[in-house]
Amino acid sequence: GAVVSQHPSWVICKSGTSVKIECRSLDFQATTMFWYRQFPKQSLMLMATSNEGSKATYEQGVEKDKFLINHASLTLSTLTVTSAHPEDSSFYICSASTSGYSEQYFGPGTRLTVT
Amino acid sequence: KQEVTQIPAALSVPEGENLVLNCSFTDSAIYNLQWFRQDPGKGLTSLLLIQSSQREQTSGRLNASLDKSSGRSTLYIAASQPGDSATYLCAVRSLQGGSEKLVFGKGTKLTVNP
Repeated sequence: GAVVSQHPSWVICKSGTSVKIECRSLDFQATTMFWYRQFPKQSLMLMATSNEGSKATYEQGVEKDKFLINHASLTLSTLTVTSAHPEDSSFYICSASTSGYSEQYFGPGTRLTVT
Repeated sequence: KQEVTQIPAALSVPEGENLVLNCSFTDSAIYNLQWFRQDPGKGLTSLLLIQSSQREQTSGRLNASLDKSSGRSTLYIAASQPGDSATYLCAVRSLQGGSEKLVFGKGTKLTVNP
């Protein structure tokens, strides 16, 4: 149980375009979902937290207009990177929990490369 | 602000050796501590979760301890195997900016040589 999937697993896009990453909880209802970014040899850094049906809460330094998060249902959250730049190339990992305070389950990650 | 440090950054051992990975955190007011495994290019696999009231947790060849007052945790791996090769991440859950968040260390990259 407690499986989280992400799609796509990897994506290459050109500078200036937008790309959407999906995160799904397959066997539980995720009231809260989290989006992290991980650069090579670095920690996972929390980008934003979203609760189903509410606006996402972004961490300091994360541009909300660039990284659009939608958590429209209890099993799906999406992260859209708008007007992508090469510096947005990174590994994006989502996580889901049944509440903001319970154990988080992590997805397999999405490798984004912006050329 | 909570900060998590993992030492060493990398470790290479021969198969069969017992080993210890270290994790320290600056703010002892944590809810829990979790150890994860991450294989190259993959997501995180949860290994052990220790609640703040607990001292240790065990799963198979893995044993994690927590000394909250000193801000330290160790992950002990017994009889290491090549399949244990991965990056091990430590994360603490604590109150940050008014909400509970997981704060991660940079990880220890473990290589077990056959």
